[in-house]
Amino acid sequence: DAKTTQPPSMDCAEGRAANLPCNHSTISGNEYVYWYRQIHSQGPQYIIHGLKNNETNEMASLIITEDRKSSTLILPHATLRDTAVYYCIVRATDSWGKFQFGAGTQVVVTP
Amino acid sequence: DGGITQSPKYLFRKEGQNVTLSCEQNLNHDAMYWYRQDPGQGLRLIYYSQIVNDFQKGDIAEGYSVSREKKESFPLTVTSAQKNPTAFYLCASSPGGHGTDTQYFGPGTRLTVL
Repeated sequence: DAKTTQPPSMDCAEGRAANLPCNHSTISGNEYVYWYRQIHSQGPQYIIHGLKNNETNEMASLIITEDRKSSTLILPHATLRDTAVYYCIVRATDSWGKFQFGAGTQVVVTP
Repeated sequence: DGGITQSPKYLFRKEGQNVTLSCEQNLNHDAMYWYRQDPGQGLRLIYYSQIVNDFQKGDIAEGYSVSREKKESFPLTVTSAQKNPTAFYLCASSPGGHGTDTQYFGPGTRLTVL
């Protein structure tokens, strides 16, 4: 599975949109982009995933560039409860087993 | 109420003792996984099982053992052979083990070896 690069940390004001970048320049055509988040001392929570089209659900939007080498997770109206580590993961459709979790981005939402 | 449960939330063990962590799911998922997380680190895969009575080693299986006798249960035993067992242990499940299947995680068990 391709490697991802995320900034180690970022701050966001409550009520504003949080835009979390992820670089996956070596992504292959059969690899999906997944986003999870982990609130301190809890299990990771699935947020969203996509292959090449932009995706939206009740939690977030995922914007994937046309060349698929990077993506952005958007939390439209950040709340204090969105403070967490956010993980961007790429995973091949023919992959079995693990999700490769890196260090992620520590997002702190401030009042 | 569907989901994945792990028990206990906190576990203390004396050095040299084996300990078993519980993981149960009622999502009717075929695949289940165990990960380990150390402070400030990402998750590392210990074992996974794609179907009942079958399981495979992950990246850090040494010192651990698992069983998958029932679809809904995937217990992890941390043996005395595991040199540094203090960590946060996470169980996950997915509909299958295929790359397009999303994994859903339990709340975790924090193991401390005294």
